[in-house]
Amino acid sequence: ELKVEQNPLFLSMQEGKNYTIYCNYSTTSDRLYWYRQDPGKSLESLFVLLSNGAVKQEGRLMASLDTKARLSTLHITAAVHDLSATYFCAVDIWNTGTASKLTFGTGTRLQVTL
Amino acid sequence: SAVISQKPSRDICQRGTSLTIQCQVDSQVTMMFWYRQQPGQSLTLIATANQGSEATYESGFVIDKFPISRPNLTFSTLTVSNMSPEDSSIYLCSVDLQGLTQYFGPGTRLLVL
Repeated sequence: ELKVEQNPLFLSMQEGKNYTIYCNYSTTSDRLYWYRQDPGKSLESLFVLLSNGAVKQEGRLMASLDTKARLSTLHITAAVHDLSATYFCAVDIWNTGTASKLTFGTGTRLQVTL
Repeated sequence: SAVISQKPSRDICQRGTSLTIQCQVDSQVTMMFWYRQQPGQSLTLIATANQGSEATYESGFVIDKFPISRPNLTFSTLTVSNMSPEDSSIYLCSVDLQGLTQYFGPGTRLLVL
């Protein structure tokens, strides 16, 4: 059974600081996703990482994937209050001809304070 | 990307009743997925719905409790049957576009009393 773990579960950080959220998974996977969820809202797709060594950046967020270590990171640079949300990683075991399905991590609730 | 709508957006139901949730997509998709997000928790896949075939359920979820329909390539329904307070959750549908990523609907917030 695929397990996906995130840490930390909760992160309180000051504006302007940097921090990294970690996502570990237990089996080989072809792709990894990062999503953002605001309170009472649905999920917003942030990044899709498709290969070992993949790195993607959007604004103050940068995601990377190390398939050998089964680890993805979401790095936050110079945090701002608008980044406060819950962040989920999700792992996809893609098998041609069968349904692709996501196993989600536990989520990291990020709170950025002034 | 895809535009996904769900109905109802929220509901309060009595235990023992059933609720059918609708999911509509603005483009034709092969796969549609139903997830549950219990309060303060992560998302768990309930089932995968392909048009023209029976839905595939994940461990811990059964068709009698969560019957799913997929009558065409843009629409699906999930029914939560014989509800109990433990079924209080957010139910989300998602679609897989071109095998690149999954997009999620706005969710249906269900409270069972």
